[in-house]
Amino acid sequence: EPEVTQTPSHQVTQMGQEVILRCVPISNHLYFYWYRQILGQKVEFLVSFYNNEISEKSEIFDDQFSVERPDGSNFTLKIRSTKLEDSAMYFCASSATSGDNTDTQYFGPGTRLTVL
Amino acid sequence: SQKIEQNSEALNIQEGKTATLTCNYTNYSPAYLQWYRQDPGRGPVFLLLIRENEKEKRKERLKVTFDTTLKQSLFHITASQPADSATYLCALDATGGSYIPTFGRGTSLIVHP
Repeated sequence: EPEVTQTPSHQVTQMGQEVILRCVPISNHLYFYWYRQILGQKVEFLVSFYNNEISEKSEIFDDQFSVERPDGSNFTLKIRSTKLEDSAMYFCASSATSGDNTDTQYFGPGTRLTVL
Repeated sequence: SQKIEQNSEALNIQEGKTATLTCNYTNYSPAYLQWYRQDPGRGPVFLLLIRENEKEKRKERLKVTFDTTLKQSLFHITASQPADSATYLCALDATGGSYIPTFGRGTSLIVHP
């Protein structure tokens, strides 16, 4: 069964450094998402992406964050200057079609980001 | 402000019993509600979606109800198994017609053999 993959599984970085989290969505999917989950907290939406542009973003997704689909398979989340409070699990998700509210989102296994 | 409440205490039940998890919400009029399963260190896995005009939805051993008057959804797992042990997340569509789900904090279910 097709699945969303994410690399790395764990990223440790120093405060102020840039990190890039990578995702390979399911191949025929058109909508892509990033979420984060701080340890013990709820899953929070960051951004959605369709047709090579951001379609929605939350207030968490400030100027320090950016997303890119550099080729036909990868979807990346960049954090330019990491802060301690960016430490969290970051999940990528994808969905198949028009973004209809009934369309299932498939989540990847996550990247655990630790900022020291 | 909008709020989604799930019981923060873990639900412990014996294998074979029915587990019932609750999701309450306030200041929302969601068009739909979803339930996900999340295992430790893993991403959420979609289980069921129920729309505002549906009272009940079933899938194998799972059943979801949606009461828009009470602003509550119940999630049932019948004939529970230790493999059902996980955290179960309730998610509602955000306000303003957004298609992005807003998640509750989840309830941990532990099924004892």
